[in-house]
Amino acid sequence: NAGVTQTPKFQVLKTGQSMTLQCAQDMNHEYMSWYRQDPGMGLRLIHYSVGAGITDQGEVPNGYNVSRSTTEDFPLRLLSAAPSQTSVYFCASSLGSNEKLFFGSGTQLSVL
Amino acid sequence: LAKTTQPTSMDSYEGQEVNITCSHNNIATNDYITWYQQFPSQGPRFIIQGYKTKVTNEVASLFIPADRKSSTLSLPRVSLSDTAVYYCLVGDIGDKLIFGAGTRLAVHP
Repeated sequence: NAGVTQTPKFQVLKTGQSMTLQCAQDMNHEYMSWYRQDPGMGLRLIHYSVGAGITDQGEVPNGYNVSRSTTEDFPLRLLSAAPSQTSVYFCASSLGSNEKLFFGSGTQLSVL
Repeated sequence: LAKTTQPTSMDSYEGQEVNITCSHNNIATNDYITWYQQFPSQGPRFIIQGYKTKVTNEVASLFIPADRKSSTLSLPRVSLSDTAVYYCLVGDIGDKLIFGAGTRLAVHP
């Protein structure tokens, strides 16, 4: 049971480049979410999904897109990377109502 | 959306009991209270969850008063390995689960 898998673990981008951070879970969880964490700060919610085909914005959605075509996958797309998006990105999932969140190991992204 | 307030940091010594209080004055009827622990370079990890009164598991206890406007995470006999950031979350599934800044706990020898 792999849990929540994030790829890549590290990524360096140039300003203006686009890329997709991958997140997959094998626990049949309905709820998935993306957070970013800047150094020394708490986690901020980017986007979340309560099920396949349903997504919604979190606290800091600008510059990011998501889709949820399957229950297992919840990719995060950076449309045009900016240095302000340098951060650690965490994907999380949970089974259902009021269940605990399981987190991936994170993707460290640097935008130069 | 219930907002939470926690102390920014706390210090303790090995073997002591640590209590971290979270304030959530506008908690909704359906909201549960969940605590997570985060070590450097790792994603947060679930510690405990509760709705009212007291919940206890193998690592912590959670105390919730009748008005549910606050909650207290209690860590018995902390060790150096309990040094981490602790987050209090309030919300129902489908809500935006906002973490906040958390409480940095430093356990000293």
